[in-house]
Amino acid sequence: EPEVTQTPSHQVTQMGQEVILRCVPISNHLYFYWYRQILGQKVEFLVSFYNNEISEKSEIFDDQFSVERPDGSNFTLKIRSTKLEDSAMYFCASSEKWSGISYEQYFGPGTRLTVT
Amino acid sequence: AQSVTQLGSHVSVSEGALVLLRCNYSSSVPPYLFWYVQYPNQGLQLLLKYTTGATLVKGINGFEAEFKKSETSFHLTKPSAHMSDAAEYFCAVSDRGSSNTGKLIFGQGTTLQVKP
Repeated sequence: EPEVTQTPSHQVTQMGQEVILRCVPISNHLYFYWYRQILGQKVEFLVSFYNNEISEKSEIFDDQFSVERPDGSNFTLKIRSTKLEDSAMYFCASSEKWSGISYEQYFGPGTRLTVT
Repeated sequence: AQSVTQLGSHVSVSEGALVLLRCNYSSSVPPYLFWYVQYPNQGLQLLLKYTTGATLVKGINGFEAEFKKSETSFHLTKPSAHMSDAAEYFCAVSDRGSSNTGKLIFGQGTTLQVKP
């Protein structure tokens, strides 16, 4: 069964460093998402991406964050200058379409980001 | 703004007992409704969803949920718990409408413990 993959599974970085989290969505999917979950808190929406542009972003997704689909398979989340409060589990998700009854987002296993 | 409340961060049941996990949403217009399950070190997996039609929906692993508009609820049930059901369960919603980009809003999660 097709699945969303994410690399690395765990990333440790120093405050102020740039990190890139990588995701490979399911191949025929057109909608892509990033969510994060700070330890002990809710899963929070960060951004949705369709047709090579951001379709919606949350207030968390400030200028330090960016997303990109650099080729036909990868979907990346970049944090330019990490802060301690960016430590969280980051989930990538993808969806074939988003209309009618075809609502299902498939989630990757997550990347645990630790900022020291 | 839309919010999701899951009553009880931890629920403990005996094997074979009824599982009931509660979820309430806040919007006056019923959203699309989802339950996801997260096993340790894995991503979120869709259990079931309600988008339209019959208000009692059946999902994987014997789970079902009923949408009750009058109660703004979408509680998850399973008649007989199995040890393998021990996991974290998330209720999520997505607004209806043409402006919807697929953003999921999650509840805080409920950890289900199943005792032998």
